[in-house]
Amino acid sequence: DVKVTQSSRYLVKRTGEKVFLECVQDMDHENMFWYRQDPGLGLRLIYFSYDVKMKEKGDIPEGYSVSREKKERFSLILESASTNQTSMYLCASNKGAMVSGNTIYFGEGSWLTVV
Amino acid sequence: DAKTTQPTSMDCAEGRAANLPCNHSTISGNEYVYWYRQIHSQGPQYIIHGLKNNETNEMASLIITEDRKSSTLILPHATLRDTAVYYCIVRYRNQGGKLIFGQGTELSVKP
Repeated sequence: DVKVTQSSRYLVKRTGEKVFLECVQDMDHENMFWYRQDPGLGLRLIYFSYDVKMKEKGDIPEGYSVSREKKERFSLILESASTNQTSMYLCASNKGAMVSGNTIYFGEGSWLTVV
Repeated sequence: DAKTTQPTSMDCAEGRAANLPCNHSTISGNEYVYWYRQIHSQGPQYIIHGLKNNETNEMASLIITEDRKSSTLILPHATLRDTAVYYCIVRYRNQGGKLIFGQGTELSVKP
């Protein structure tokens, strides 16, 4: 069974803390994505990666960075968490070329609250 | 920007077909249309995807117009458990292959 696993389901962090959100997929997928989801705004792309050590900015990269040292793992980093980064974060992955029809799989989400 | 557009909300009676439309007027070439749904507090669940031809699986059918500028997801016999937000997604080449989500349609299946 395919699996995208996000390490933390619920987190509470303080303003200014450094936060790591981890995502692992066991399907040997090349492409991985981080989204955030907020009421009324839908899903917005933060960063994505097409290969190990490759990363590209999505629509809302400010305040975030990512790391992809291994193919199966894609980490989202909040260098200094702020209250406006309180959100649900979703990781996704899929296999193949950029315009392939390969199915995209999502994790269950990580609910982050910054206080 | 390349994007999809969907109605904000729809209602459907239990047992009836639910038809959810999506416009993707700038789609071209070999760009695929995906449909996902999301039940509250969970990650999106894959439903179906297609390129040109209509597709059917155990969950739904996908009808893509001949010009490929719009599509319709059909849930043939909606149940209360189909109440969710449904997202139409297109992978656009000119966006570097990013996933572009529509705003989603909130489908309410009523008894």
